[in-house]
Amino acid sequence: QQQVKQSPQSLIVQKGGISIINCAYENTAFDYFPWYQQFPGKGPALLIAIRPDVSEKKEGRFTISFNKSAKQFSLHIMDSQPGDSATYFCAAGVYSNYKLTFGKGTLLTVNP
Amino acid sequence: ETGVTQSPTHLIKTRGQQVTLRCSSQSGHNTVSWYQQALGQGPQFIFQYYREEENGRGNFPPRFSGLQFPNYSSELNVNALELDDSALYLCASSLYGAETQYFGPGTRLLVL
Repeated sequence: QQQVKQSPQSLIVQKGGISIINCAYENTAFDYFPWYQQFPGKGPALLIAIRPDVSEKKEGRFTISFNKSAKQFSLHIMDSQPGDSATYFCAAGVYSNYKLTFGKGTLLTVNP
Repeated sequence: ETGVTQSPTHLIKTRGQQVTLRCSSQSGHNTVSWYQQALGQGPQFIFQYYREEENGRGNFPPRFSGLQFPNYSSELNVNALELDDSALYLCASSLYGAETQYFGPGTRLLVL
């Protein structure tokens, strides 16, 4: 059973554009929602994370929007750059046990 | 500060064999989690170790086992390897009570 559904599977954006990746979850016990960035041959690196007590969190060009009633959250990358080309994973966890459930990933390509 | 390191980087085994993967946690971190990432998929939680004991397990059979040592480093052991065990195995360390997990670069296992 896939508890975190991520879309799209792949995304091509022009330099300077906005990249948007969406995730939906089923388990209402989830209370921690991180996004990870993974480059080829590397492990995932934490990008930004949000708790359900806020609807939006922004760090630099990266913003998470969170809709608790719809059980959805999304990552927005503003002014996308070729260096942002990577695979992005959303994840969800329960704060008390730290097990993360990941989405299947989105391959982002930013064309120069 | 030293990040999470894993060894070996690559490994080739044949079906039925046993394998041991190693992880050194980031300095100061006392919790280690292991994940399996199949090609084109998100990481899947295998188990977590804290205070040298298993502190949560995902949907993996008992032939996946682990150890944590007093210096917080960890091993993942897989017995009776199957072809479907071919994947990138990721180790993540964290401080118990903190949300953020820091991933190592992974060990890529190929089972022939």
